[in-house]
Amino acid sequence: GAVVSQHPSRVICKSGTSVKIECRSLDFQATTMFWYRQFPKKSLMLMATSNEGSKATYEQGVEKDKFLINHASLTLSTLTVTSAHPEDSSFYICSALRRANYGYTFGSGTRLTVV
Amino acid sequence: AQSVTQLGSHVSVSEGALVLLRCNYSSSVPPYLFWYVQYPNQGLQLLLKYTTGATLVKGINGFEAEFKKSETSFHLTKPSAHMSDAAEYFCAVRGQAGTALIFGKGTTLSVSS
Repeated sequence: GAVVSQHPSRVICKSGTSVKIECRSLDFQATTMFWYRQFPKKSLMLMATSNEGSKATYEQGVEKDKFLINHASLTLSTLTVTSAHPEDSSFYICSALRRANYGYTFGSGTRLTVV
Repeated sequence: AQSVTQLGSHVSVSEGALVLLRCNYSSSVPPYLFWYVQYPNQGLQLLLKYTTGATLVKGINGFEAEFKKSETSFHLTKPSAHMSDAAEYFCAVRGQAGTALIFGKGTTLSVSS
């Protein structure tokens, strides 16, 4: 079945540094990838949608310059949290879509802690 | 626009009892509907989904859900709860093809012995 690998699973970084999270589709080509953020005991909030070779489309209220999304190939999308601050600490999950009416495959998530 | 409302942020049942988790949706186009389960610090596991066709959908681990267009509902049920069912459950809706899933706020299911 479709598998999405997300790394790292956990990361702790110092305030002011940048962190990159990778989301890779292992056995299919993902035309579209989605990035979500999940606060404790909260739902998944859609951050952005990225299509291969195009700029990401960000949801209202999401800072484009802080959360840089790159979808350079059909199998890899990255989320870079720039100049991270403690309030960026959260659980980030990616989701890959193979084709418009195929299923959504989720990564296992990344727990980011900024100290 | 699409949205999902999950009634009840926390549901508690006894082992062996019926599980009922409620989900109502709003969609400007015929919806695709999903139920996911999440265990602590893990990603999402698909339980079942409705796209078109049969309105009663059977999923993994004994769960099922029924799409009721007239009630804009997609409630999740399981006849007999197990301790291992304790987790967070999310209902999600997709509108137009190729767009992101929109999630409800989730329901925490607790199962007591």
